[in-house]
Amino acid sequence: KAGVTQTPRYLIKTRGQQVTLSCSPISGHRSVSWYQQTPGQGLQFLFEYFSETQRNKGNFPGRFSGRQFSNSRSEMNVSTLELGDSALYLCASSPGSGSTDTQYFGPGTRLTVL
Amino acid sequence: GENVEQHPSTLSVQEGDSAVIKCTYSDSASNYFPWYKQELGKRPQLIIDIRSNVGEKKDQRIAVTLNKTAKHFSLHITETQPEDSAVYFCAASRSSSASKIIFGSGTRLSIRP
Repeated sequence: KAGVTQTPRYLIKTRGQQVTLSCSPISGHRSVSWYQQTPGQGLQFLFEYFSETQRNKGNFPGRFSGRQFSNSRSEMNVSTLELGDSALYLCASSPGSGSTDTQYFGPGTRLTVL
Repeated sequence: GENVEQHPSTLSVQEGDSAVIKCTYSDSASNYFPWYKQELGKRPQLIIDIRSNVGEKKDQRIAVTLNKTAKHFSLHITETQPEDSAVYFCAASRSSSASKIIFGSGTRLSIRP
């Protein structure tokens, strides 16, 4: 099976702009979770989608949003970008039966906000 | 809220020695504890996990122990090798579809030749 893929791999934006990141899960996986990874903060959970519905949400402002399509592909959107949003954004997919499923991570999208 | 603390943040050991990374969790209902390894420039990958119905699990040079009473679990790597150099993350979650996985802050392990 193909692994989790993310596009784009690298992105440079300026403050105030918005950005959309995409994640394609492993075939058959119905859950997609998004994480923000920064050097000082580790892996911070953003949200999880399952069957096109947000099932869990982390402690991020409303500028961070997401959605999931019927084919389980997911997008994450960040509006009004701030310098502090520069990070590696990872998505992870799992079969979706519960949080004890193994999470398979994608390669990440490195976002730089100037 | 739920929290997972991980120590140490950095660890340097001589090749061939053992390395131990410790995590504590706050949610007493947590019953699933995975460990992920992230090599430089690569994605995190699951290396071992343990569920609350067992106290220890081994896989070759890697072992994880769990103490539910004290709410802590540890990763043990024996006979360390250069390829063990990476950042290791512990995590904890409940076995509920509505639960999320909480990650520790990571440990950067360096193996000295």
